[in-house]
Amino acid sequence: DSGVTQTPKHLITATGQRVTLRCSPRSGDLSVYWYQQSLDQGLQFLIQYYNGEERAKGNILERFSAQQFPDLHSELNLSSLELGDSALYFCASSDRRTITGELFFGEGSRLTVL
Amino acid sequence: DQQVKQNSPSLSVQEGRISILNCDYTNSMFDYFLWYKKYPAEGPTFLISISSIKDKNEDGRFTVFLNKSAKHLSLHIVPSQPGDSAVYFCAASAVRDDKIIFGKGTRLHILP
Repeated sequence: DSGVTQTPKHLITATGQRVTLRCSPRSGDLSVYWYQQSLDQGLQFLIQYYNGEERAKGNILERFSAQQFPDLHSELNLSSLELGDSALYFCASSDRRTITGELFFGEGSRLTVL
Repeated sequence: DQQVKQNSPSLSVQEGRISILNCDYTNSMFDYFLWYKKYPAEGPTFLISISSIKDKNEDGRFTVFLNKSAKHLSLHIVPSQPGDSAVYFCAASAVRDDKIIFGKGTRLHILP
């Protein structure tokens, strides 16, 4: 158990819809990272927050947005969903402001867009 | 642009033998290199890392080697055990960019 909690574990929805994925980091961790893993793809970095502020951005679509709340949990919002958005979305946390090592990953949220 | 490449999608190794997983990168600004292991239905877990100023780091059965001139790193597992069967992700980070870039992963099968 990494201490990172993601909900929901599975989500099935239709094209054009909007979903919200939630992540609770490990106790004490200030940094939250979101990654997308599509079929046959590695972990694609989406976005990072540190203590409520956006710190780094990767290949995140404009239809996607995220935020980190004062209690440090984070939400990833995916809107106008397309079939290609079907993927496993991972949240990870760390206690460091900048990347030097270990991230702790949640079990992921599997999104299926029909 | 894939900055971290794992060119072998899968690898099969006999139990007890050495497993060698390879990774190439293109960005010479990376400061740290990491290996993560992932079992089905679980999130990736950190395995071992190496700073760009070192060429070897060892932790039990796991050793990571870094060849900066070739922009290549490898993970050695000796001896390989059945529980090592998993997907292994190579990753790299640059402190100034503050993000970890992952490769596509290599699926390791340990054969009895």
